[in-house]
Amino acid sequence: GAVVSQHPSWVICKSGTSVKIECRSLDFQATTMFWYRQFPKQSLMLMATSNEGSKATYEQGVEKDKFLINHASLTLSTLTVTSAHPEDSSFYICSARRSSGIGEQYFGPGTRLTVT
Amino acid sequence: GESVGLHLPTLSVQEGDNSIINCAYSNSASDYFIWYKQESGKGPQFIIDIRSNMDKRQGQRVTVLLNKTVKHLSLQIAATQPGDSAVYFCAEGAGYSTLTFGKGTMLLVSP
Repeated sequence: GAVVSQHPSWVICKSGTSVKIECRSLDFQATTMFWYRQFPKQSLMLMATSNEGSKATYEQGVEKDKFLINHASLTLSTLTVTSAHPEDSSFYICSARRSSGIGEQYFGPGTRLTVT
Repeated sequence: GESVGLHLPTLSVQEGDNSIINCAYSNSASDYFIWYKQESGKGPQFIIDIRSNMDKRQGQRVTVLLNKTVKHLSLQIAATQPGDSAVYFCAEGAGYSTLTFGKGTMLLVSP
């Protein structure tokens, strides 16, 4: 149990275009999902916390108009990188927290975004 | 942009040895801790967790030790295998707050 999927697993896009990444909890309900960004050889950097049915909470320094988050159901959250630039190239990882339990998060496999 | 020149602490062991990965945490109010394993190009994988009212917890080939006095957490892997090679992150949490991740340690297991 506790499987989280992400789609796509990798994407290449041109500067100025928008890219949507989906995060799904496959076998449990997740009231809260998280979006992280990770650079090579570094730890995970929390971008935003997404709660089902409400607006996402963004970490300091993360542009909410650039990284649009929607959490429309208990099993799906989406991250849209708008007007992507090469500096947005990174590994984006989502995680989902069970609606019950001690708060452990289960992570998706990540999405490698390359902006050319 | 991406940072360059940043190196993860690395632990190199031989296959069959026991590995100990350490983590110092910062928040004395944290009440649970989790160890994650991340293989290259993949998302972190949950390994084991421990609540603050415990000082030791064992899983399959793994043991987590918690020392709240010095705010230290360790992950012990018995009989390390090449498949254990990955980056290991500790994470701390309090209540239903977001997790705070450590910097990570790269474990390299040579046959």
